[in-house]
Amino acid sequence: QQQVKQSPQSLIVQKGGISIINCAYENTAFDYFPWYQQFPGKGPALLIAIRPDVSEKKEGRFTISFNKSAKQFSLHIMDSQPGDSATYFCAASTRYDYKLSFGAGTTVTVRA
Amino acid sequence: ETGVTQSPTHLIKTRGQQVTLRCSSQSGHNTVSWYQQALGQGPQFIFQYYREEENGRGNFPPRFSGLQFPNYSSELNVNALELDDSALYLCASSLGAGAFNEQFFGPGTRLTVL
Repeated sequence: QQQVKQSPQSLIVQKGGISIINCAYENTAFDYFPWYQQFPGKGPALLIAIRPDVSEKKEGRFTISFNKSAKQFSLHIMDSQPGDSATYFCAASTRYDYKLSFGAGTTVTVRA
Repeated sequence: ETGVTQSPTHLIKTRGQQVTLRCSSQSGHNTVSWYQQALGQGPQFIFQYYREEENGRGNFPPRFSGLQFPNYSSELNVNALELDDSALYLCASSLGAGAFNEQFFGPGTRLTVL
């Protein structure tokens, strides 16, 4: 049973465009929502994370938007670059938990 | 500072065999979590070790077992391998057991079961 549902499965964007990845969850106890970036042959690396006391968090070209009432959160990659081509995973957890529940991943391809 | 390392990088086993995967945690980290990542899927939590004790377990059968050593390195053992065990096995280390503590992932071990 997947606790975090992620879409789309893949997307292609032109250089300079905006990539948007969406995630939805059911467990209202979740209160920590990280995004991970994974390049081929590498393990996932933390990109940015948000807690539900804020609706948006921005770090450079990456922004997380969080909608608590809809139980949804999304990652926006602004001014997408070829180096952003990777698989992105959303995840969720609670402050009392020890594990992360991951979405299925989105493969982003940025065309030059 | 050395990151998380895993060995071996790849290995091939046959159904019914046993396998041991190894993970060296990042310097100063006392917690190791293991995940299974099937092709095209997100990582699935197997279990976590905190200060040499199993701290939590995901929905995996008992033939998946682990150890954590005094230097906080860890092993994942899988007995009676099945074809569905073919996956990338990731370990992640962190400073502390809570999920709020950033988990640093290794590059993984690619296991193929024939």
